[in-house]
Amino acid sequence: DTAVSQTPKYLVTQMGNDKSIKCEQNLGHDTMYWYKQDSKKFLKIMFSYNNKELIINETVPNRFSPKSPDKAHLNLHINSLELGDSAVYFCASSQGGVGHLAGQYFGPGTRLTVT
Amino acid sequence: GIQVEQSPPDLILQEGANSTLRCNFSDSVNNLQWFHQNPWGQLINLFYIPSGTKQNGRLSATTVATERYSLLYISSSQTTDSGVYFCAGPTGDSNYQLIWGAGTKLIIKP
Repeated sequence: DTAVSQTPKYLVTQMGNDKSIKCEQNLGHDTMYWYKQDSKKFLKIMFSYNNKELIINETVPNRFSPKSPDKAHLNLHINSLELGDSAVYFCASSQGGVGHLAGQYFGPGTRLTVT
Repeated sequence: GIQVEQSPPDLILQEGANSTLRCNFSDSVNNLQWFHQNPWGQLINLFYIPSGTKQNGRLSATTVATERYSLLYISSSQTTDSGVYFCAGPTGDSNYQLIWGAGTKLIIKP
């Protein structure tokens, strides 16, 4: 009965490869997010989707492409991986945006290592 | 945009001690949230606290929105409280984006 789940939990790959991370939430939330956490623990939002519509698209290389097939899923596809993409990627969800109700709920994170 | 400052950046305490973590905002914040990231990396939503005080077991949080700060209190610390504590609030420009502090790294020694 995990609220926000991500797969895979660990991803080790070589430069130049293409990879995807999947996220699913069973909280019935209408908004989902992708965050990147660097080695200094700084959390930076990448994308935000509300009802499958892209709301926030921060300055992220276009090698990163999110896809939301429905309200419960938000996947992240990364093309031509670079060393600097190594980080922990978190998926999160909330109802009605960050200002509403009980706030954001996070998945367990995906640790991406690019060699 | 809004800036978020957390203090102290690091805190090392013995088990059983109490602690207060602070979060200052450069502008008023309607919907402040506190999160705990445990040593295994899991981010847990602790409090959604636009104003006033909330308590959950040994943890409590107080937000004084008019003075642009929030405090997180941890009483009778346990080693499982170790990790990084983040506060975050909406940017004001968007209801879909949180601005995050840099975190307070808390280490509780047995």
